[in-house]
Amino acid sequence: KAGVTQTPRYLIKTRGQQVTLSCSPISGHRSVSWYQQTPGQGLQFLFEYFSETQRNKGNFPGRFSGRQFSNSRSEMNVSTLELGDSALYLCASSLGGGNTEAFFGQGTRLTVV
Amino acid sequence: GENVEQHPSTLSVQEGDSAVIKCTYSDSASNYFPWYKQELGKGPQLIIDIRSNVGEKKDQRIAVTLNKTAKHFSLHITETQPEDSAVYFCAAVGISGNTGKLIFGQGTTLQVKP
Repeated sequence: KAGVTQTPRYLIKTRGQQVTLSCSPISGHRSVSWYQQTPGQGLQFLFEYFSETQRNKGNFPGRFSGRQFSNSRSEMNVSTLELGDSALYLCASSLGGGNTEAFFGQGTRLTVV
Repeated sequence: GENVEQHPSTLSVQEGDSAVIKCTYSDSASNYFPWYKQELGKGPQLIIDIRSNVGEKKDQRIAVTLNKTAKHFSLHITETQPEDSAVYFCAAVGISGNTGKLIFGQGTTLQVKP
């Protein structure tokens, strides 16, 4: 059974640009959550999608957005990139219930220069 | 607000010794507590979890205990091996209800010396 796949693995972008990251969940999983990981702030929740609907949102500015497709694949978008957006972006998939196991992908390392 | 405190931030043990990592959560409605291991360059890997209707769970060398009254939960690794060296994160489901929002602790860097 394939795990959670995130693409691309690495990205370098310039301030002011926008970026789109992709996440393919484990087959059969309907929930995809996104997290930002930085040395200073640790792992912080961005948002969660379930059946193409955003079910929960963390405390990030509106420049961070996401969506989920009918096949459960998800994308997140960051517009007007800032240097502080440099981080490892992780997605996690789960069956969908709040108390079910969440499995993470390898992450996308975004560097903003 | 929702918060998970994790201690210690670093832990160094000799191979074969035990390691204990402790977490405290603030949201009394939290009812699911997973633990993740993250190796360099990889995403977090789920290693064990516990639900609020259970006080202890064990899987080979790893065990987790939960004290709901005190809002504490702990990870115990026995007979540590060099390959246990990694960063460990505790987490709690942030709010009650049917969501997947995990609130993570700050992480513990475990070093197992051969």
